[in-house]
Amino acid sequence: LAKTTQPISMDSYEGQEVNITCSHNNIATNDYITWYQQFPSQGPRFIIQGYKTKVTNEVASLFIPADRKSSTLSLPRVSLSDTAVYYCLVGDLRGSARQLTFGSGTQLTVLP
Amino acid sequence: ETGVTQTPRHLVMGMTNKKSLKCEQHLGHNAMYWYKQSAKKPLELMFVYNFKEQTENNSVPSRFSPECPNSSHLFLHLHTLQPEDSALYLCASSYKISTVGNTEAFFGQGTRLTVV
Repeated sequence: LAKTTQPISMDSYEGQEVNITCSHNNIATNDYITWYQQFPSQGPRFIIQGYKTKVTNEVASLFIPADRKSSTLSLPRVSLSDTAVYYCLVGDLRGSARQLTFGSGTQLTVLP
Repeated sequence: ETGVTQTPRHLVMGMTNKKSLKCEQHLGHNAMYWYKQSAKKPLELMFVYNFKEQTENNSVPSRFSPECPNSSHLFLHLHTLQPEDSALYLCASSYKISTVGNTEAFFGQGTRLTVV
């Protein structure tokens, strides 16, 4: 099971772009990289998933370098409502369900 | 709405009570999960069911008893809990596919449990 390392917390201001990096040095060939967002007292919500290069959706972008040992979640022009905990998960849900194991996450605080 | 519904949303129970948490999904998923999240802590995976069969039990005390009667419903039966069991209990579901592609998990809103 690939271990992930993220910053514990980050602060940003409204309207800025926020980049959260996750390290996963022992990522396996079949592993995907998935990011979730969690607000207090709610269940995590899927943001984006990727395998390599760049993935973009209406919410965020995910940048994955060629060696796949890290990934960066990019949130464009954040607002106060983006204040949440962001989790990076690495694994293959086709295999053991332990792949859906969450780490400590990154607490993002967006300031006015 | 994620398509995963948990009831009740809030529960207060005494240490001698027996209660059950319910999770329901109609997304066609075949894997379901129970998580525990204590205050300001990461999610702890408790149980996993795949096609109604329990595939993971992360050393959870026997006072927590899961039940999965079908792929759409998951229960967590609680008895003789301790105050330290107070937490947010989250249910999730996903596809468990064996071919190409990956998938995401959908979470319910959780049940806020307080043991008094």
